[in-house]
Amino acid sequence: QKEVEQNSGPLSVPEGAIASLNCTYSDRVSQSFFWYRQYSGKSPELIMSIYSNGDKEDGRFTAQLNKASQYVSLLIRDSQPSDSATYLCAVANQAGTALIFGKGTTLSVSS
Amino acid sequence: KAGVTQTPRYLIKTRGQQVTLSCSPISGHRSVSWYQQTPGQGLQFLFEYFSETQRNKGNFPGRFSGRQFSNSRSEMNVSTLELGDSALYLCASSLVGEESPLHFGNGTRLTVT
Repeated sequence: QKEVEQNSGPLSVPEGAIASLNCTYSDRVSQSFFWYRQYSGKSPELIMSIYSNGDKEDGRFTAQLNKASQYVSLLIRDSQPSDSATYLCAVANQAGTALIFGKGTTLSVSS
Repeated sequence: KAGVTQTPRYLIKTRGQQVTLSCSPISGHRSVSWYQQTPGQGLQFLFEYFSETQRNKGNFPGRFSGRQFSNSRSEMNVSTLELGDSALYLCASSLVGEESPLHFGNGTRLTVT
Protein backbone atom coordinates (compact mmCIF):
# COMPACT_ATOMS: atom_id res chain seq x y z
CA GLN A 1 0.00 0.00 0.00
CA LYS A 2 1.61 3.22 -1.17
CA GLU A 3 1.43 5.86 1.56
CA VAL A 4 2.04 9.54 2.03
CA GLU A 5 2.47 10.72 5.60
CA GLN A 6 2.10 14.22 7.01
CA ASN A 7 1.85 15.58 10.54
CA SER A 8 -1.76 16.64 10.97
CA GLY A 9 -0.88 19.67 13.08
CA PRO A 10 -2.10 22.16 13.79
CA LEU A 11 1.12 23.98 13.07
CA SER A 12 0.94 27.46 14.57
CA VAL A 13 3.35 30.22 13.57
CA PRO A 14 3.29 33.99 14.11
CA GLU A 15 2.91 36.34 11.17
CA GLY A 16 6.21 36.88 9.40
CA ALA A 17 7.75 33.60 10.52
CA ILE A 18 8.79 30.64 8.38
CA ALA A 19 6.39 27.71 8.32
CA SER A 20 7.89 24.31 7.59
CA LEU A 21 5.65 21.48 6.39
CA ASN A 22 6.95 17.95 5.96
CA CYS A 23 5.90 14.86 4.07
CA THR A 24 7.28 11.35 3.65
CA TYR A 25 6.27 8.79 1.04
CA SER A 26 6.67 5.06 0.79
CA ASP A 27 7.00 4.35 -2.96
CA ARG A 28 10.68 4.61 -3.94
CA VAL A 29 9.92 4.88 -7.66
CA SER A 30 7.82 8.04 -7.28
CA GLN A 31 9.10 10.87 -9.46
CA SER A 32 6.52 13.67 -9.21
CA PHE A 33 5.50 15.53 -6.10
CA PHE A 34 2.96 18.26 -5.48
CA TRP A 35 1.83 20.58 -2.72
CA TYR A 36 -1.77 21.71 -2.62
CA ARG A 37 -3.43 24.25 -0.33
CA GLN A 38 -7.02 23.81 0.76
CA TYR A 39 -8.99 26.47 2.54
CA SER A 40 -11.91 25.37 4.68
CA GLY A 41 -14.90 24.59 2.48
CA LYS A 42 -12.93 24.98 -0.72
CA SER A 43 -11.25 22.59 -3.14
CA PRO A 44 -7.48 21.99 -3.23
CA GLU A 45 -5.39 24.37 -5.30
CA LEU A 46 -1.91 23.65 -6.60
CA ILE A 47 0.94 25.59 -4.98
CA MET A 48 4.09 23.84 -6.12
CA SER A 49 5.30 20.86 -8.09
CA ILE A 50 8.78 19.36 -7.81
CA TYR A 51 10.38 16.53 -9.76
CA SER A 52 14.14 16.72 -9.06
CA ASN A 53 16.16 16.51 -5.89
CA GLY A 54 16.91 19.86 -4.31
CA ASP A 55 15.02 23.09 -3.84
CA LYS A 56 12.47 24.84 -6.03
CA GLU A 57 11.44 28.38 -5.17
CA ASP A 58 8.31 30.27 -6.20
CA GLY A 59 7.79 33.57 -4.43
CA ARG A 60 7.44 32.94 -0.70
CA PHE A 61 7.23 29.18 -1.23
CA THR A 62 10.13 26.73 -1.45
CA ALA A 63 9.67 23.02 -2.06
CA GLN A 64 12.46 20.66 -1.13
CA LEU A 65 12.82 17.09 -2.37
CA ASN A 66 15.13 14.34 -1.15
CA LYS A 67 14.39 11.12 -3.01
CA ALA A 68 16.99 9.11 -1.10
CA SER A 69 15.22 9.91 2.15
CA GLN A 70 11.76 9.81 0.50
CA TYR A 71 11.05 13.22 1.94
CA VAL A 72 9.36 16.34 0.59
CA SER A 73 8.94 19.62 2.41
CA LEU A 74 7.36 23.00 1.85
CA LEU A 75 8.71 26.19 3.39
CA ILE A 76 6.55 29.29 3.54
CA ARG A 77 8.54 32.43 4.22
CA ASP A 78 7.04 35.60 5.73
CA SER A 79 3.88 33.69 6.68
CA GLN A 80 0.65 35.66 6.44
CA PRO A 81 -2.71 35.04 8.12
CA SER A 82 -4.06 34.33 4.62
CA ASP A 83 -1.74 31.30 4.50
CA SER A 84 -3.85 29.65 7.22
CA ALA A 85 -5.16 26.53 5.50
CA THR A 86 -4.59 22.80 5.20
CA TYR A 87 -1.59 21.84 3.09
CA LEU A 88 -1.74 18.56 1.22
CA CYS A 89 1.27 16.66 -0.02
CA ALA A 90 0.65 14.49 -3.09
CA VAL A 91 2.76 11.91 -4.89
CA ALA A 92 2.07 10.69 -8.41
CA ASN A 93 2.02 6.99 -9.18
CA GLN A 94 4.50 5.76 -11.75
CA ALA A 95 1.96 5.62 -14.56
CA GLY A 96 0.83 9.16 -13.87
CA THR A 97 -2.77 8.05 -13.50
CA ALA A 98 -3.31 8.93 -9.85
CA LEU A 99 -2.10 11.17 -7.05
CA ILE A 100 -1.81 9.75 -3.58
CA PHE A 101 -2.49 12.40 -0.98
CA GLY A 102 -1.41 12.75 2.60
CA LYS A 103 -4.10 13.70 5.08
CA GLY A 104 -2.78 17.22 5.26
CA THR A 105 -1.20 19.57 7.78
CA THR A 106 -3.29 22.41 9.14
CA LEU A 107 -1.36 25.67 9.34
CA SER A 108 -2.50 28.57 11.50
CA VAL A 109 -0.75 31.92 11.14
CA SER A 110 -1.53 34.40 13.90
CA SER A 111 -1.33 38.16 13.43
CA LYS B 1 -9.69 29.54 -19.51
CA ALA B 2 -12.63 28.09 -17.59
CA GLY B 3 -11.81 25.76 -14.71
CA VAL B 4 -13.18 22.35 -13.88
CA THR B 5 -16.94 22.48 -13.47
CA GLN B 6 -18.81 20.07 -11.25
CA THR B 7 -22.55 19.75 -10.90
CA PRO B 8 -24.49 19.76 -8.72
CA ARG B 9 -22.74 21.51 -5.83
CA TYR B 10 -24.90 19.92 -3.17
CA LEU B 11 -26.97 16.76 -3.02
CA ILE B 12 -29.05 15.17 -0.29
CA LYS B 13 -30.04 11.56 -0.86
CA THR B 14 -31.54 8.75 1.16
CA ARG B 15 -29.88 5.41 1.88
CA GLY B 16 -30.44 2.95 -0.92
CA GLN B 17 -30.82 5.57 -3.63
CA GLN B 18 -28.34 6.16 -6.40
CA VAL B 19 -26.68 9.38 -7.50
CA THR B 20 -24.87 10.68 -10.60
CA LEU B 21 -22.32 13.47 -10.43
CA SER B 22 -21.04 15.36 -13.44
CA CYS B 23 -17.70 16.93 -14.30
CA SER B 24 -16.53 19.07 -17.20
CA PRO B 25 -12.75 19.32 -17.42
CA ILE B 26 -10.59 22.25 -18.40
CA SER B 27 -10.55 22.62 -22.17
CA GLY B 28 -7.75 20.51 -23.61
CA HIS B 29 -7.45 18.28 -20.55
CA ARG B 30 -8.18 14.70 -21.51
CA SER B 31 -7.54 13.02 -18.16
CA VAL B 32 -10.27 13.19 -15.53
CA SER B 33 -9.91 11.84 -12.01
CA TRP B 34 -12.36 11.52 -9.16
CA TYR B 35 -11.58 11.71 -5.45
CA GLN B 36 -13.61 11.29 -2.29
CA GLN B 37 -12.76 13.55 0.63
CA THR B 38 -13.89 12.87 4.19
CA PRO B 39 -12.60 14.31 7.47
CA GLY B 40 -11.35 10.93 8.65
CA GLN B 41 -9.80 9.51 5.49
CA GLY B 42 -8.74 12.63 3.65
CA LEU B 43 -8.57 12.61 -0.14
CA GLN B 44 -8.94 9.13 -1.58
CA PHE B 45 -8.57 8.23 -5.23
CA LEU B 46 -11.64 6.75 -6.89
CA PHE B 47 -10.75 6.39 -10.57
CA GLU B 48 -9.10 8.03 -13.55
CA TYR B 49 -10.27 8.19 -17.15
CA PHE B 50 -8.50 9.04 -20.37
CA SER B 51 -9.96 8.79 -23.85
CA GLU B 52 -13.11 7.18 -22.47
CA THR B 53 -11.07 4.40 -20.83
CA GLN B 54 -10.66 3.80 -17.13
CA ARG B 55 -6.92 3.57 -16.61
CA ASN B 56 -6.83 3.29 -12.85
CA LYS B 57 -9.22 2.51 -10.03
CA GLY B 58 -8.90 3.03 -6.31
CA ASN B 59 -9.95 0.71 -3.53
CA PHE B 60 -13.68 1.38 -3.53
CA PRO B 61 -16.59 -1.07 -3.84
CA GLY B 62 -18.26 -1.74 -7.17
CA ARG B 63 -21.12 0.58 -6.19
CA PHE B 64 -18.84 3.38 -7.34
CA SER B 65 -18.53 3.63 -11.08
CA GLY B 66 -17.73 6.21 -13.66
CA ARG B 67 -17.44 6.92 -17.32
CA GLN B 68 -15.97 9.46 -19.68
CA PHE B 69 -17.48 10.76 -22.87
CA SER B 70 -15.79 11.59 -26.15
CA ASN B 71 -15.69 15.28 -25.23
CA SER B 72 -13.76 14.35 -22.03
CA ARG B 73 -16.68 15.16 -19.76
CA SER B 74 -17.09 12.59 -17.03
CA GLU B 75 -19.75 11.26 -14.72
CA MET B 76 -19.54 9.15 -11.62
CA ASN B 77 -22.35 7.08 -10.21
CA VAL B 78 -22.86 5.69 -6.74
CA SER B 79 -25.57 3.08 -6.37
CA THR B 80 -27.25 1.79 -3.23
CA LEU B 81 -26.07 4.73 -1.18
CA GLU B 82 -24.84 4.18 2.37
CA LEU B 83 -24.49 6.71 5.18
CA GLY B 84 -20.71 6.40 4.87
CA ASP B 85 -20.84 7.70 1.32
CA SER B 86 -21.50 11.18 2.67
CA ALA B 87 -18.47 13.14 1.51
CA LEU B 88 -17.13 15.82 -0.76
CA TYR B 89 -16.59 14.36 -4.22
CA LEU B 90 -13.91 16.13 -6.18
CA CYS B 91 -13.26 15.91 -9.87
CA ALA B 92 -9.89 16.93 -11.27
CA SER B 93 -8.57 17.23 -14.77
CA SER B 94 -5.05 17.28 -16.12
CA LEU B 95 -2.92 16.98 -19.18
CA VAL B 96 -1.44 13.55 -19.70
CA GLY B 97 1.75 12.48 -17.97
CA GLU B 98 3.25 11.89 -14.58
CA GLU B 99 4.37 15.51 -14.26
CA SER B 100 0.94 16.96 -14.96
CA PRO B 101 -0.70 18.35 -11.83
CA LEU B 102 -4.37 17.95 -11.11
CA HIS B 103 -6.72 20.91 -11.28
CA PHE B 104 -9.72 20.44 -9.05
CA GLY B 105 -13.32 21.51 -9.42
CA ASN B 106 -15.32 22.95 -6.55
CA GLY B 107 -16.70 19.54 -5.66
CA THR B 108 -20.10 18.05 -5.00
CA ARG B 109 -21.10 17.77 -1.35
CA LEU B 110 -23.16 14.58 -0.98
CA THR B 111 -25.15 13.98 2.18
CA VAL B 112 -26.80 10.59 2.65
CA THR B 113 -29.55 10.41 5.27
